[in-house]
Amino acid sequence: NAGVTQTPKFQVLKTGQSMTLQCAQDMNHNSMYWYRQDPGMGLRLIYYSASEGTTDKGEVPNGYNVSRLNKREFSLRLESAAPSQTSVYFCASTIVRDRGMDEQFFGPGTRLTVL
Amino acid sequence: SQQGEEDPQALSIQEGENATMNCSYKTSINNLQWYRQNSGRGLVHLILIRSNEREKHSGRLRVTLDTSKKSSSLLITASRAADTASYFCATDIGDYKLSFGAGTTVTVRA
Repeated sequence: NAGVTQTPKFQVLKTGQSMTLQCAQDMNHNSMYWYRQDPGMGLRLIYYSASEGTTDKGEVPNGYNVSRLNKREFSLRLESAAPSQTSVYFCASTIVRDRGMDEQFFGPGTRLTVL
Repeated sequence: SQQGEEDPQALSIQEGENATMNCSYKTSINNLQWYRQNSGRGLVHLILIRSNEREKHSGRLRVTLDTSKKSSSLLITASRAADTASYFCATDIGDYKLSFGAGTTVTVRA
């Protein structure tokens, strides 16, 4: 089991460029998440997908779009990058049951710098 | 807004000492989870405690939950240099999301 994988690990963009961050999980989880983490702060939820075929906005969705391609893959797209989107991006997945959410498994992160 | 808030923000202890950090939250929860993050890495799950549980142990970790006070604590006993990390609490309020606090940074001095 690879767990949660993310690509790329590092990326430098110029303002206005676009890019897609890829995330995949091999644990048959139903729910997937994209977070950003800024220095000295906790995680802020950008978008999530409770199940295949659904996506919803989190706390900080502006400037981002997502696609739940299938049960395994959940991508995050920056259409026109801005310096304020410089951050570390984490993908996570889990199973949500009737009794609540199981532990989330996190990918290693993508370090994005927008110049 | 963040549902969970950790206290203290930072903690420095000697190797072998215990470390305690607290988490307060605002609304009813299904469960509360603690995670560790080593510098530059992804978060790793430590313990999940459900709303009907009061205490859980995992190795040198002990988590308590007081739903009447809407608070939880994480105790690390006999700390080691490898415990140096940031620790986050996260609450599941049943809306398919976790809400993370800003974290406690723990430094264990040799």
